[in-house]
Amino acid sequence: DTGVSQDPRHKITKRGQNVTFRCDPISEHNRLYWYRQTLGQGPEFLTYFQNEAQLEKSRLLSDRFSAERPKGSFSTLEIQRTEQGDSAMYLCASSFVWGESYNEQFFGPGTRLTVL
Amino acid sequence: RKEVEQDPGPFNVPEGATVAFNCTYSNSASQSFFWYRQDCRKEPKLLMSVYSSGNEDGRFTAQLNRASQYISLLIRDSKLSDSATYLCVVNAEKLTFGTGTRLTIIP
Repeated sequence: DTGVSQDPRHKITKRGQNVTFRCDPISEHNRLYWYRQTLGQGPEFLTYFQNEAQLEKSRLLSDRFSAERPKGSFSTLEIQRTEQGDSAMYLCASSFVWGESYNEQFFGPGTRLTVL
Repeated sequence: RKEVEQDPGPFNVPEGATVAFNCTYSNSASQSFFWYRQDCRKEPKLLMSVYSSGNEDGRFTAQLNRASQYISLLIRDSKLSDSATYLCVVNAEKLTFGTGTRLTIIP
């Protein structure tokens, strides 16, 4: 399968613990995005990378959240001191962008986080 | 006001009927527009892009009205497999999603 993969698919943690999610994009894609989706809502943008550079972060991304894409390939999203409000589906997407052209974003299956 | 607004539904429609969804967006600088489909507990997948002149893909027709900042999706001859949540998406560098409209096709 050459699509976007995410690991783990499900994570249950206790409030106050740290969690880390991984996303492996489609190999030739230079952009990688993180979104969060809660029940009954559409995905909300968190941050994105072009290669290894983090170009934009949403105001939703508090200082407890950090994302990296160290070699411009896979990315990690870490949440420190988790809160119950962090419970959501965390979606990763990737695309190839060249100049002004738009290319479709392909989504991974998501990591469902439950904070108890 | 939300950047992208959709009627959340649910829309319960008999098989074979025609159904239309509407969406409005607030950012007049938005450049690209899309409809995504999301099945229950699955990731969103691109259904179709929306072009200024309107475009059609089989049973699906999308329209864009930039003056009114309004996007629509029409599904003709609906099938049971069309049951899903349809997300209106606007792009101005990053994707901004509406809350989605839930559609159920009834046999």
